[in-house]
Amino acid sequence: GQSLEQPSEVTAVEGAIVQINCTYQTSGFYGLSWYQQHDGGAPTFLSYNGLDGLEETGRFSSFLSRSDSYGYLLLQELQMKDSASYFCAVTDEGDKLIFGTGTRLQVFP
Amino acid sequence: DTGVSQNPRHKITKRGQNVTFRCDPISEHNRLYWYRQTLGQGPEFLTYFQNEAQLEKSRLLSDRFSAERPKGSFSTLEIQRTEQGDSAMYLCASRGTGELNEKLFFGSGTQLSVL
Repeated sequence: GQSLEQPSEVTAVEGAIVQINCTYQTSGFYGLSWYQQHDGGAPTFLSYNGLDGLEETGRFSSFLSRSDSYGYLLLQELQMKDSASYFCAVTDEGDKLIFGTGTRLQVFP
Repeated sequence: DTGVSQNPRHKITKRGQNVTFRCDPISEHNRLYWYRQTLGQGPEFLTYFQNEAQLEKSRLLSDRFSAERPKGSFSTLEIQRTEQGDSAMYLCASRGTGELNEKLFFGSGTQLSVL
């Protein structure tokens, strides 16, 4: 079977840094992606890691360790607009994305 | 590029009725995916197409669900004999050649409520 585990909820204040972890167990693995979804909105792509290490895109960074089946999304200089759900997703051998259950981030002033 | 368009945005139906949803992907995107999402959960894979060919269908998907992409452009998802457990947001996504495989462009979804 396939499973991706994330914390269900994370809270932080504006300007802070928050890390959202993702551990996965899948039959095939070709990379880890992160998506953001605001309430009532569509999921939007944030980042992708195909190899071990850190990828940085502005205030967001994503990390992958394939040996540990683990990755995280790091959000810096948090803003109110970052309040959303964040999903990790694994690309499996069928070249499709399998999503985790999501982490709801609430940013407080 | 107008993005991925889904219609209708909302659908309320009675148990046992058939419903059909439409997805118009970003033009020239050859890959089209259908996902289902319930409150507090991540998108669950249903099926996907490359051009007009349906490449994979989730083994968890009931035979009441069928999808088509007849000309390799828009796609339809039909649910026959709807059940209350079918109530969910149905999301469509597309991806083009030359794009990162993992970068899917999602539509805003069709919210289905089965009474």
